[in-house]
Amino acid sequence: QQQVKQSPQSLIVQKGGISIINCAYENTAFDYFPWYQQFPGKGPALLIAIRPDVSEKKEGRFTISFNKSAKQFSLHIMDSQPGDSATYFCAAAGGGGSNYKLTFGKGTLLTVNP
Amino acid sequence: DGGITQSPKYLFRKEGQNVTLSCEQNLNHDAMYWYRQDPGQGLRLIYYSQIVNDFQKGDIAEGYSVSREKKESFPLTVTSAQKNPTAFYLCASSLLRNNYGYTFGSGTRLTVV
Repeated sequence: QQQVKQSPQSLIVQKGGISIINCAYENTAFDYFPWYQQFPGKGPALLIAIRPDVSEKKEGRFTISFNKSAKQFSLHIMDSQPGDSATYFCAAAGGGGSNYKLTFGKGTLLTVNP
Repeated sequence: DGGITQSPKYLFRKEGQNVTLSCEQNLNHDAMYWYRQDPGQGLRLIYYSQIVNDFQKGDIAEGYSVSREKKESFPLTVTSAQKNPTAFYLCASSLLRNNYGYTFGSGTRLTVV
């Protein structure tokens, strides 16, 4: 069964700190790794995504680090702000017949204290 | 602007009733999906559809039904057979090739009263 394991389940960070969320996958055919951000009562929104031909992608304060050999990828939020408080989901897709279908991690509830 | 619209935002259902949640997209996306979200449970796939008049069960399809008569529309019916329907329901859409990103709707919160 294709799985994406996400940790931690919840995370509390002080304003200005670095938030780090980790994901591990099993299927080596995965070739697309997005992160979604979800605020309470809203649908998830694509935050940033990476493909395995690069080891890092940065967009503003958000960075994805990708380790193909370890089958792991992580989201780093630099200078975390209270407005970043949300649930974050990692996901992966690629390989097999339904290769467009995302497999999601279980989510991380991030709280940034002021 | 292109997007995906779910309605209603809040829905109340009496036990034993079927209810239908609406999902419409104008992104010209091929695939559409329904997810259920419970606190601490993440996103669980109910049904998905790649093309009109075809759909596949996800991980928790029991007690739900869908139809895909138009590319733009993918309604979800929560039947009386669903034992615990109170949840937040999310619809999403995507292309099938070269772009795996999903666009999600804003969700429907269903409560059984």
